[in-house]
Amino acid sequence: QVQLMESGPGLVQPSETLSLTCTVSGFSLTSYNVHWVRQPPGKGLEWMGVMWSGGSTDYNSALKSRLSISRDTSKNQVFLKMNSLQSEDTTTYYCARDLYYFDYWGQGVMVTVSS
Amino acid sequence: EIVLTQSPTTMAASPGEKVTITCRASSSVSYMHWYQQKPGASPKPWIYDTSKLASGVPNRFSGSGSGTSYSLTISSMETEDTATYYCQQWSSNSPTFGAGTKLELK
Repeated sequence: QVQLMESGPGLVQPSETLSLTCTVSGFSLTSYNVHWVRQPPGKGLEWMGVMWSGGSTDYNSALKSRLSISRDTSKNQVFLKMNSLQSEDTTTYYCARDLYYFDYWGQGVMVTVSS
Repeated sequence: EIVLTQSPTTMAASPGEKVTITCRASSSVSYMHWYQQKPGASPKPWIYDTSKLASGVPNRFSGSGSGTSYSLTISSMETEDTATYYCQQWSSNSPTFGAGTKLELK
């Protein structure tokens, strides 16, 4: 069945770079798009960016200068890297599959930015 | 970027009561999708393409709308419907979400 699972560090130092991995199963990254969405504690959802099935990417304009999304199709993994982290980047990060709406989501990974 | 404004932000409904949540877009959109999220859980697709119920969603839920105004309706509130509901649109490769409507039980 379709599954997405985020992994990464729970704690990141301010100004450092966050690296997250979304490992998928039950579908091919060359057939479906995978997005990153984040949610600060007690707040709403913010779209971050997408790895299109064809291998290109798009980013939220507010995050574009700090964000990079890549993938390894042989490992069924999509990666997120975001630099210059600040306290406002403390949030839960989700990856989600796109079937023109987000039909499957990972369980999310909580990341705290703190020294 | 299209901004989605949901109303109300928070509401409480009694069991059996009809509930309507509204989502207004800053520009016309072709479809609206809705997600349900409960505390500590990932969002779940709930209504897609404005009016289609996702798998497993009870038929007391419905969606409607066009242009800049969309709504999610519960015909008869049940305890299990307490959650936060988010609308979402997709235009120009840039999805945006509403801020959410927290639905509580009265």
